[in-house]
Amino acid sequence: DVKVTQSSRYLVKRTGEKVFLECVQDMDHENMFWYRQDPGLGLRLIYFSYDVKMKEKGDIPEGYSVSREKKERFSLILESASTNQTSMYLCASSRPGTSGRGEQYFGPGTRLTVT
Amino acid sequence: AQSVSQHNHHVILSEAASLELGCNYSYGGTVNLFWYVQYPGQHLQLLLKYFSGDPLVKGIKGFEAEFIKSKFSFNLRKPSVQWSDTAEYFCAVRPQNTGNQFYFGTGTSLTVIP
Repeated sequence: DVKVTQSSRYLVKRTGEKVFLECVQDMDHENMFWYRQDPGLGLRLIYFSYDVKMKEKGDIPEGYSVSREKKERFSLILESASTNQTSMYLCASSRPGTSGRGEQYFGPGTRLTVT
Repeated sequence: AQSVSQHNHHVILSEAASLELGCNYSYGGTVNLFWYVQYPGQHLQLLLKYFSGDPLVKGIKGFEAEFIKSKFSFNLRKPSVQWSDTAEYFCAVRPQNTGNQFYFGTGTSLTVIP
């Protein structure tokens, strides 16, 4: 069974703080993704990575950065948290589409509140 | 830009009613299609997927979806819903030649009344 874990289920931070969200997958997947989920907007891709040390911007990368130093771990960083970054953050992983059909497996999410 | 449209934002049904949730996408090439479900307080999980072959695919818990290429649609159906189907449903599209990126719809919230 694929397992994607996220470091925190709930997080409360102050405006201006640096925030780290961690994601770990245990199935040796090449691809990893960070989304934010907001009511009425669905899932919006922030960043994704298809290999260690590789990253690609998604649809809404502004205000975020990522790090992938090891294959199993993908971190999302909010350099200076703002209230409009209050959201549910979802991490996902997958094999490349050509080999593993590419379906994504999701973690439980981190609900971040920035005050 | 790619887009995925889910026309029903909120659906309320009584138990045993039939369900159909619409999903349309804008990408013209070959796509893989998915429906994900998120039960209250739980993580997103795959309900069913289409890659090729029979356009009618069956998933878990009695759900099925039909791919109609000419209509760029992948509608989700269930003949008789249960209270436990109350959840949010997301359609997703992965264009095959644009890498590994998924495009998600905005979701449909389903409430089933006992």
